[in-house]
Amino acid sequence: EVQVVESGGGLVQPGGSLRLSCSASGFIFTTSIMYWVRQAPGKGLEYVSRISGDGSGKVYADSVKGRFTISRDNSKNTLYLEMNNLRVDDTALYYCVKDRTGAYSFDHWGQGAQVTVSS
Amino acid sequence: QSALTQPPSASGSPGQAVTISCTGTSSDVGAYNFVSWYQHHPGKAPRLVIYEVNKRPSGVPDRFSGSKSGNTASLTVAGLQAEDEADFYCTSYAGNFNFVFGSGTTVTVL
Repeated sequence: EVQVVESGGGLVQPGGSLRLSCSASGFIFTTSIMYWVRQAPGKGLEYVSRISGDGSGKVYADSVKGRFTISRDNSKNTLYLEMNNLRVDDTALYYCVKDRTGAYSFDHWGQGAQVTVSS
Repeated sequence: QSALTQPPSASGSPGQAVTISCTGTSSDVGAYNFVSWYQHHPGKAPRLVIYEVNKRPSGVPDRFSGSKSGNTASLTVAGLQAEDEADFYCTSYAGNFNFVFGSGTTVTVL
């Protein structure tokens, strides 16, 4: 069974940093494109970032470019999102998502990790 | 990129059909056959119900169907059931490994 489980969320002050982790199992992680998608309170879903299977290709939404870094450790089947210079509007539930191979869609979602940026 | 436009709400009685539209531009919905739809029950993980405009993942009932015409995609849920009540989001590939999500539609089963 495919599973992705996020961790590392929490409360941080504006300007602070946080690192999210996503532990994956039940599929071949090393060849799977992975994403982060977020949902702010009362808002819709928002694409955050993408990383290729070997980690060489990374894409970011304009709203997080230069502040967030996506990475992966294929030896540990783990995806990361390093978030720096956090802003109040980064407050959201962050989902780790597995790509549906070749279909440009989001196949399996975790339960999400809550990130709250507040003073 | 601007969010794809969806109606805020849609509703139908049990057994009826409801159709949700998703309007984008010639740079996203109109350019690619990579429109997907997600069902999201609050507090749960979103679930993929349609990919590549009109394909269903295994386990998704054939009551869910998708289509596209020009810059507008649609999701139809036929034979509405109580468990279909949820938020639905469309997404389109927008090139260069970027995606744009829809604004979301809350489906209510009356």
